[in-house]
Formats: sequence, structure tokens, C-alpha cells
Amino acid sequence: EPEVTQTPSHQVTQMGQEVILRCVPISNHLYFYWYRQILGQKVEFLVSFYNNEISEKSEIFDDQFSVERPDGSNFTLKIRSTKLEDSAMYFCASIWGNGNTEAFFGQGTRLTVV
Amino acid sequence: AQKVTQAQTEISVVEKEDVTLDCVYETRDTTYYLFWYKQPPSGELVFLIRRNSFDEQNEISGRYSWNFQKSTSSFNFTITASQVVDSAVYFCALSEESGGSNYKLTFGKGTLLTVNP
Repeated sequence: EPEVTQTPSHQVTQMGQEVILRCVPISNHLYFYWYRQILGQKVEFLVSFYNNEISEKSEIFDDQFSVERPDGSNFTLKIRSTKLEDSAMYFCASIWGNGNTEAFFGQGTRLTVV
Repeated sequence: AQKVTQAQTEISVVEKEDVTLDCVYETRDTTYYLFWYKQPPSGELVFLIRRNSFDEQNEISGRYSWNFQKSTSSFNFTITASQVVDSAVYFCALSEESGGSNYKLTFGKGTLLTVNP
């Protein structure tokens, strides 16, 4: 069964450092997403990506965040200068082409900023 | 704007009890999609069910059943004869069809279900 793959599963970084979270969505999917879940809280939308550009971003997704799909398979989330409050589980997701399909989620990357 | 409310923060039951998790949603779209996801202690999000706004038929899958009522904007989830392995956080989520929605999911805050032996 196809799956979304995220690496690493856990990353610890020092405040102020840059981190890149990586995702490989399902190959024939068209929409890609990053979501964030602060420990014990709900899953929050960060950004959606379609047709090689950001299609929507939330207010959380400020100038410190960026996304890329550099090679047609990987989908990355970069945080330029991490803050303590960026500590969270980050989920990548993809869907095939419309809302009447499930979003396939990766297993998540737990980011800890110290 | 879309919104999902899961009023029950935590529920604790004894094994074999039935339990219903409530979900109330808000949307201005006529076409939308509702989902339930399970998040076990290991942290991943496990898809359980999807419903579109034109399909109000209730669904049963083994011990799981879902009751979708547009009149009350609710999409409730019932686990029959609960088991310890059902212990998890359960999220209800909504996505809209309207142009530019990008089908992003709006999640409720989740309900932590603990099933005790």
C-alpha cells in the first residue's frame, strides 16, 4: 500500500538553528500539506502546495517557514531560525485530487528545540 | 470559515462498554467532507472514515459506527464493546470543496479515550 514517508522521525535542534523536515508524498498525488501538532493539542494546518506553488498558508506559517518540492518527489519544510515554540510534531500529508479522498499522513517528525 | 468542535476532552470507560464521541462542525459550503482519525500513543494519524456532505447514510464497520446528521451538523462516532486497544485520541476533521479551499483539513481538538480493563 502506498504511504507518505517522513524523515527524520525525531530531530533535536538548538534554538536559532535551521531545520529541514523531509517528506516523500505518494507519487500520483497532487496536493501536499504540512500540519503541526504541539504536544497535547490539536492538529493545525500550516500550508498547502499544489502545482508547484503554495496554494494556501495559515497565520502560523510566517517568514521563518518555507516549503519546496525540489525534485518532483520530495516535499520539504524548512524553518530558518527555530524557536522554542516550534517544538511540535510535524505531519506531512498528500491527497490525490479532490476532497472526497482521504488525506494520507506520514508518521510525523517530532521536532524538539532546546 | 470552517470549524470543528469536539466538546468531550476526555472519556474513560471500562472494557466492553459502548462509547460515543461527539463532533459538531460549522461550514458555509454545501459540499464538504468529514473525517475521523485515530491517534494512538505512538503518535501517527490513522484514517478511520470519510463522509461527503451528500451522503447521510450511517456507516458501520465492525465495532465502529458513524452517525452523520446534517440537520444538527454532527458526525458522531460510536465504538461498540470497547477494547483496551481503542485507547487513543480521536480527531474529527472537516474539509471544504469551495474554490481555493485546497481541501485542507480543519481538526477538532480531539477526544482522549481511555478504555480500562
